[in-house]
Amino acid sequence: QPVLTQPPSSSASPGESARLTCTLPSDINVGSYNIYWYQQKPGSPPRYLLYYYSDSDKGQGSGVPSRFSGSKDASANTGILLISGLQSEDEADYYCMIWPSISWVFGGGTKLTVL
Amino acid sequence: QVQLQESGPGLVKPSETLSLTCAVSGYSISSGYYWGWIRQPPGKGLEWIGSIYHSGSTYYNPSLKSRVTISVDTSKNQFSLKLSSVTAADTAVYYCARRRLQPPYYFDYWGQGTLVTVSS
Repeated sequence: QPVLTQPPSSSASPGESARLTCTLPSDINVGSYNIYWYQQKPGSPPRYLLYYYSDSDKGQGSGVPSRFSGSKDASANTGILLISGLQSEDEADYYCMIWPSISWVFGGGTKLTVL
Repeated sequence: QVQLQESGPGLVKPSETLSLTCAVSGYSISSGYYWGWIRQPPGKGLEWIGSIYHSGSTYYNPSLKSRVTISVDTSKNQFSLKLSSVTAADTAVYYCARRRLQPPYYFDYWGQGTLVTVSS
């Protein structure tokens, strides 16, 4: 199965923006897939945030603030979750997910610390 | 309000079979959607195990396929997971979740998860 690479940790201050990345292996083109993002807080199940395919094909989860957004960097073969106007409650683990062919695959997760 | 609740033994011996059930309320499994199992070893990331449709059609993670069976009981509005020949590496929080039938295909409702420890 392909491996989705996420930095283990990231940090930013309240009010700033956090850019979390999910890099696909070179044999899978990020442009061909929906990138799904989940947020998980300690002791809770993951919460669906959003998906991103393109600027014209994207969607927000129910109740997810608009300061969470998705994008892609095709040159880096990477999906991106951008969180603007960071708040303390955004401190959590974030996972990306794709369906490359026959199996759902999750990234290893990024622990976001809001300083 | 759709709710999912996992249940089953919290401790399983090595080489035995792990069995969990997910009871669904607030929505009829027979009405559609895919229903899945995802696990998370302590302190680690998420791993999809497999999913089932109300008709019984299944698909599994290739890395676990030889040991996994997922079944559905529409009369009880629940679905189940069996994982055979378990080892300590199967110790994890096991979540059941609902996956949308139409795109985008995300898991929208999750159970709270149940910790299963594999130990003698």
